[in-house]
Amino acid sequence: EVQLVQSGAEVKKPGESLKISCKGSGYSFTSYWIGWVRQMPGKGLEWMGIIYPGDSDTRYSPSFQGQVTISADKSISTAYLQWSSLKASDTAMYYCARHAENWGSNWFDPWGQGTLVTVSS
Amino acid sequence: DIQMTQSPSSLSASVGDRVTITCRASQSISSYLNWYQQKPGKAPKLLIYAASSLQSGVPSRFSGSGSGTDFTLTISSLQPEDFATYYCQQSYSTLSFTFGPGTKVDIK
Repeated sequence: EVQLVQSGAEVKKPGESLKISCKGSGYSFTSYWIGWVRQMPGKGLEWMGIIYPGDSDTRYSPSFQGQVTISADKSISTAYLQWSSLKASDTAMYYCARHAENWGSNWFDPWGQGTLVTVSS
Repeated sequence: DIQMTQSPSSLSASVGDRVTITCRASQSISSYLNWYQQKPGKAPKLLIYAASSLQSGVPSRFSGSGSGTDFTLTISSLQPEDFATYYCQQSYSTLSFTFGPGTKVDIK
């Protein structure tokens, strides 16, 4: 079974750093892009960026470029999303999702269970 | 950037109703359109990919149609487990994605 398992909920203070993880299993981790999606409280889905664990090629949404860093460690089949200095506005649920392609089309499936990040003083 | 809109933003319906949700892209995206269902407190789940292809395991009461800029998601007979928020997503731009704002379906 293809599965993405994310790290647990985090409570941080403004200015602190954070790295959350997404571990893939049941497939060749290095052969599929992994995307990150933000969902602020009561709001919709926002695509943040995507990484190819095979060579760490990474693309960011312009809205998130410079605000977060996406990385991956293929030796342990894990992708990461990190912040160097959190803000209260980073409070949200963060999802990772595997990017799949076939017959010229592409989509995100499956999704991780989500990591809730709360930033509060 | 490709912008996505959805209508309505919310709707109330009864079990057994036929429900249609519309998604519009700001430019032609061919059939590079996916639909996801999200229930409260849960991760999104892929329902439809490539505008009209049903993801494995998804009930056949869900269907998708459209191409170019206008797309629809139809639930032929709404079931209690279908009350959720539905998002469209364009995947036309290479490795750059946009979600629609969502349509919340709740119980009338």
